[in-house]
Amino acid sequence: RKEVEQDPGPFNVPEGATVAFNCTYSNSASQSFFWYRQDCRKEPKLLMSVYSSGNEDGRFTAQLNRASQYISLLIRDSKLSDSATYLCVVNMDKLIFGAGTRLAVHP
Amino acid sequence: DAGVTQSPTHLIKTRGQQVTLRCSPKSGHDTVSWYQQALGQGPQFIFQYYEEEERQRGNFPDRFSGHQFPNYSSELNVNALLLGDSALYLCASSLFRLAGALTDTQYFGPGTRLTVL
Repeated sequence: RKEVEQDPGPFNVPEGATVAFNCTYSNSASQSFFWYRQDCRKEPKLLMSVYSSGNEDGRFTAQLNRASQYISLLIRDSKLSDSATYLCVVNMDKLIFGAGTRLAVHP
Repeated sequence: DAGVTQSPTHLIKTRGQQVTLRCSPKSGHDTVSWYQQALGQGPQFIFQYYEEEERQRGNFPDRFSGHQFPNYSSELNVNALLLGDSALYLCASSLFRLAGALTDTQYFGPGTRLTVL
């Protein structure tokens, strides 16, 4: 079983749509959690940290459920510029990445 | 404030050769981690350096080795290259937190794209 598993995607959505990404992790000792965004042929960039209380940054909302070992990312009002691969990341004093879910937002 | 830099940007090698990749961390950071990202996959942790020593290592063979210099910059060396070593090699820097031994947020460089023919 992979340490971090994500929806395989790709997700193709129209502008303005709401899209949800899901992720599960296998190691309950995981310390912290993140979503990174990666554009084609570029490096990953931190999108947001994920907390049990849930956190929101504009159109983006992340949620962590430690009991279920489940992480989510919700993007509201999708923009063309949101098209990218979204990586679910678990910190075990080293970053463990999921394979990523590709999002394509079309006009 | 310079971010993480890596060199070279691209590299083409043949099987059996050796390669050295370089990374300069973000100003103020003292910890460097290396990752390998194959096409269509997420980055895989190779190893991490702090205080010029390898702190921890992922599931990579001994052909992969590294070094950290007193100025915190780092090198990744790969010997006896295989076709399967073709990937994007990412360097990430962070600030090591002594309390709880947790590393801080990691910032990635643009990567070195290695092609092995």
